[in-house]
Amino acid sequence: DTGVSQNPRHKITKRGQNVTFRCDPISEHNRLYWYRQTLGQGPEFLTYFQNEAQLEKSRLLSDRFSAERPKGSFSTLEIQRTEQGDSAMYLCASSFNDRDTPLHFGNGTRLTVT
Amino acid sequence: GDSVTQMEGPVTLSEEAFLTINCTYTATGYPSLFWYVQYPGEGLQLLLKATKADDKGSNKGFEATYRKETTSFHLEKGSVQVSDSAVYFCALLNTGNQFYFGTGTSLTVIP
Repeated sequence: DTGVSQNPRHKITKRGQNVTFRCDPISEHNRLYWYRQTLGQGPEFLTYFQNEAQLEKSRLLSDRFSAERPKGSFSTLEIQRTEQGDSAMYLCASSFNDRDTPLHFGNGTRLTVT
Repeated sequence: GDSVTQMEGPVTLSEEAFLTINCTYTATGYPSLFWYVQYPGEGLQLLLKATKADDKGSNKGFEATYRKETTSFHLEKGSVQVSDSAVYFCALLNTGNQFYFGTGTSLTVIP
């Protein structure tokens, strides 16, 4: 178990640029979640996949955000035309399709939009 | 909708003091309940869990009991250490496979 891996750890970008983050879940986990966390807040749900299917998207996720999980393995989260309000920690987590299984989180990607 | 409400911080305690962090939830059906901990500069880690009413989760001296009648899952530790300084998040997994997190409670333990 190598854990959930996220890259990059930090990303600084200028407003209006596109950014893409990658998440490699624990290999045997079929569920993958994306969350956003701002200072002093708990993680806010963005979207989740079961295998390659994106099953749910939060209303928080504007049209500028898109996530993929080709082949049900790693996932990418892309933000187009970034805004300063997008600055946050983006967390990826994975789990089994089992109610007793907790989420296993990566260390996150910190995005700063200048 | 489903939600988690936890005690606001920050909480500052002396080493060996007793810790309680309150957590209550709102959910339809029977959620699973979790406590996660986030140490400075690190990701969230599972601390303990309980999947049905009256279950007690425990780990590293921390305990929490799933109380359906009061919809609560309070975190307790009898004697905190400096190394317990972190942010603690209460969370639920509902019957729709969706996780909801509280806003977090920051704990600082001073020697």
